[in-house]
Amino acid sequence: EDQVTQSPEALRLQEGESSSLNCSYTVSGLRGLFWYRQDPGKGPEFLFTLYSAGEEKEKERLKATLTKKESFLHITAPKPEDSATYLCAVVSGYALNFGKGTSLLVTP
Amino acid sequence: GAGVSQSPSNKVTEKGKDVELRCDPISGHTALYWYRQSLGQGLEFLIYFQGNSAPDKSGLPSDRFSAERTGGSVSTLTIQRTQQEDSAVYLCASSLRTVTQETQYFGPGTRLLVL
Repeated sequence: EDQVTQSPEALRLQEGESSSLNCSYTVSGLRGLFWYRQDPGKGPEFLFTLYSAGEEKEKERLKATLTKKESFLHITAPKPEDSATYLCAVVSGYALNFGKGTSLLVTP
Repeated sequence: GAGVSQSPSNKVTEKGKDVELRCDPISGHTALYWYRQSLGQGLEFLIYFQGNSAPDKSGLPSDRFSAERTGGSVSTLTIQRTQQEDSAVYLCASSLRTVTQETQYFGPGTRLLVL
């Protein structure tokens, strides 16, 4: 059975303090790994899709990387507006199988 | 263009009542998904529609849950005889197609509270 585990569950950073979020996955034949951002009271907002080990994608202060067992979301010099829950998901059947997310708080 | 829209944004109902939740996908998207997000839980897949094909209902938690999609566009998720454990955020997503695993774009969700 496909499984997605995200760590840590919660992370508190000071503005400018870089860090990484982890997404470990178990899937028979990866067909895509997705990162989403979710703000309170809103639906998930698409960030990145990764398909093969070694692939990397960047957007502003965020960089996503992929290995055969896990993906990392690196946040460089975060700002308070980066505070959100970050969700990782893998394609499973026709749908996405999500992890429980990492809640990120960036303080000034 | 416009994103995925859902209505109502919030719904409070009494245990035992039926509720209908609506989703308008992005124009031109042939695939539509319903997910449920409960407090402290990840997003849970409920049902998937692709064009005019029969839906994949494998994620529906009980026979109280049903969904339809009219004209390949708007979808309605119906929960009959609601229970308190049905309280959650119900999210709809759409994608251009599924063969190549196109990105799913989510709506803002409907927050359902069953008293």
